[in-house]
Amino acid sequence: DAGVIQSPRHEVTEMGQEVTLRCKPISGHDYLFWYRQTMMRGLELLIYFNNNVPIDDSGMPEDRFSAKMPNASFSTLKIQPSEPRDSAVYFCASSSPSTGGLGTDTQYFGPGTRLTVL
Amino acid sequence: ILNVEQSPQSLHVQEGDSTNFTCSFPSSNFYALHWYRWETAKSPEALFVMTLNGDEKKKGRISATLNTKEGYSYLYIKGSQPEDSATYLCAPVNFNKFYFGSGTKLNVKP
Repeated sequence: DAGVIQSPRHEVTEMGQEVTLRCKPISGHDYLFWYRQTMMRGLELLIYFNNNVPIDDSGMPEDRFSAKMPNASFSTLKIQPSEPRDSAVYFCASSSPSTGGLGTDTQYFGPGTRLTVL
Repeated sequence: ILNVEQSPQSLHVQEGDSTNFTCSFPSSNFYALHWYRWETAKSPEALFVMTLNGDEKKKGRISATLNTKEGYSYLYIKGSQPEDSATYLCAPVNFNKFYFGSGTKLNVKP
């Protein structure tokens, strides 16, 4: 398997523009997670999906952020309008359910998208 | 939000030294703890997942222990090598969510 795939790897945009980040989870994984990594807050969970359904979006910072998972192999994280403080590395991760439960499942991370908002 | 503390923040050791670092977390509602290794410009990679008090896991020269009653986990690296240089993250799990610490950045000098 190719692992979790994210695109683009780098994105530079201007304040006010719409940004869409994409993720393809590992085939067969039922859970998908979006994280944001910043110097100030480290790696923080934004939202996660189970079987394409959003389960917990309490980490989404503002209404400018939205995430969708239209099918089992694709998810998007959209920021509209983008602001300079959104600059960060955004990671997508996926996991498959085990008998131990979600908390014991290893999350497999994609390479991340480095977003710079000017 | 879970208060997860990792110490030290950074560590510089010579090749061949053994080292260890700490992850502290609230012991209430503990479910599991994950350790990840994160090399610069790459994505985090899973090392261990531990669930039981007293758990010990080992992978090559790296091992980890878990104390859920007092809320800490230790990661040990025996005979550090330059390729061990990375940031080591712990992530206790609370109500199905991972709460990543800020990591310990290890630099092993040849």
